[in-house]
Amino acid sequence: NAGVMQNPRHLVRRRGQEARLRCSPMKGHSHVYWYRQLPEEGLKFMVYLQKENIIDESGMPKERFSAEFPKEGPSILRIQQVVRGDSAAYFCASSPNQGFNEQYFGPGTRLTVT
Amino acid sequence: GIQVEQSPPDLILQEGANSTLRCNFSDSVNNLQWFHQNPWGQLINLFYIPSGTKQNGRLSATTVATERYSLLYISSSQTTDSGVYFCAVEPNSGNTGKLIFGQGTTLQVKP
Repeated sequence: NAGVMQNPRHLVRRRGQEARLRCSPMKGHSHVYWYRQLPEEGLKFMVYLQKENIIDESGMPKERFSAEFPKEGPSILRIQQVVRGDSAAYFCASSPNQGFNEQYFGPGTRLTVT
Repeated sequence: GIQVEQSPPDLILQEGANSTLRCNFSDSVNNLQWFHQNPWGQLINLFYIPSGTKQNGRLSATTVATERYSLLYISSSQTTDSGVYFCAVEPNSGNTGKLIFGQGTTLQVKP
């Protein structure tokens, strides 16, 4: 049973470019969470999605960030016009149901903005 | 919102020693998980333990939900145990399933 898959594992972008991070949940899981780990900081919740729905985006920056989880295909976290402060590790997690369930994390995508 | 505090922030052990890591949380929770972030940055699930006690090899964990704390025990530590240990909780209020992480305990095990 494959775990949560994230790609790319490492991504380098110049300031002003767009970054697209992909997450494929575990088989049978329909709930996806994105978290961000800034350097020297803990992990912070960003957004929670089910298929075709954003359930909670209370942790997402108001501008430049968006997320989707289409009916088919992986979940995508999109960062437009990246700045150096976006450099971080972005983790995706999945669970079979909402709440009261163990979340399983992917290996993360390390974004570096130059 | 809920506060999650981990102690100690840093811990240095000699190989073979035992240790206890603590996680306090300020409100009731639906879910509590312990993770190990290894030196390569990967998050490894250790325990899903909203209450009770579980053991997995040299590691065990206990959560006392009524008193709002959880403990992670590491026995006979090995150098491969080095890394950061995170506690994360799902608050009872709101019920969206999102996890709130503590700041972590950085463990260094010396040979």
